Amino acid sequence: GAVVSQHPSRVICKSGTSVKIECRSLDFQATTMFWYRQFPKQSLMLMATSNEGSKATYEQGVEKDKFLINHASLTLSTLTVTSAHPEDSSFYICSALRGGTEAFFGQGTRLTVV
Amino acid sequence: AQSVTQLGSHVSVSEGALVLLRCNYSSSVPPYLFWYVQYPNQGLQLLLKYTSAATLVKGINGFEAEFKKSETSFHLTKPSAHMSDAAEYFCAVSPLFQGAQKLVFGQGTRLTINP
Repeated sequence: GAVVSQHPSRVICKSGTSVKIECRSLDFQATTMFWYRQFPKQSLMLMATSNEGSKATYEQGVEKDKFLINHASLTLSTLTVTSAHPEDSSFYICSALRGGTEAFFGQGTRLTVV
Repeated sequence: AQSVTQLGSHVSVSEGALVLLRCNYSSSVPPYLFWYVQYPNQGLQLLLKYTSAATLVKGINGFEAEFKKSETSFHLTKPSAHMSDAAEYFCAVSPLFQGAQKLVFGQGTRLTINP
């Protein structure tokens, strides 16, 4: 199957700092990637749709200035959590769409803001 | 709009017993349906998907699911549970015309296997 790599897998940062998470499709090109957030023992909530070469589409209630998404190439999308606070601590997962119909997920990034 | 309800946040079965994880969906248009498995601190792995072809879908690791339009269900089964099946399972729906885009996930079911 296709491989999507997410980095880092785990990060701890101080409150007020920014953190960048990368999502790479290693063996296919993805014009569309998705970013999800997962709280402990809960489901995945779609945060935004990342489109190569254009602005991301954010879901209702997601602060676009806080969660910056950049999809500069067909194999890389980044999510930057700006001015992170403890309530931003969560598990963030990306997925990349292959062929427009198959989604492959990264391993996830556990963010802890202290 | 689409939504998914997974009945039972936690299911526990004995090793070798039948596994049944329930999923009901709501969709205003023909749906794509998916089952994913998540191991601790990892991403999601696709088990199987329904894409309007055969209603009985076979997936990896011995899992299968049956699409029942009349019951709006897509329950996941495995005849004989293995210890390695212990994980979190998510059912997801997407509008048929969107493929796997904009997946809407259920709340998840944690499967525990007792020795």
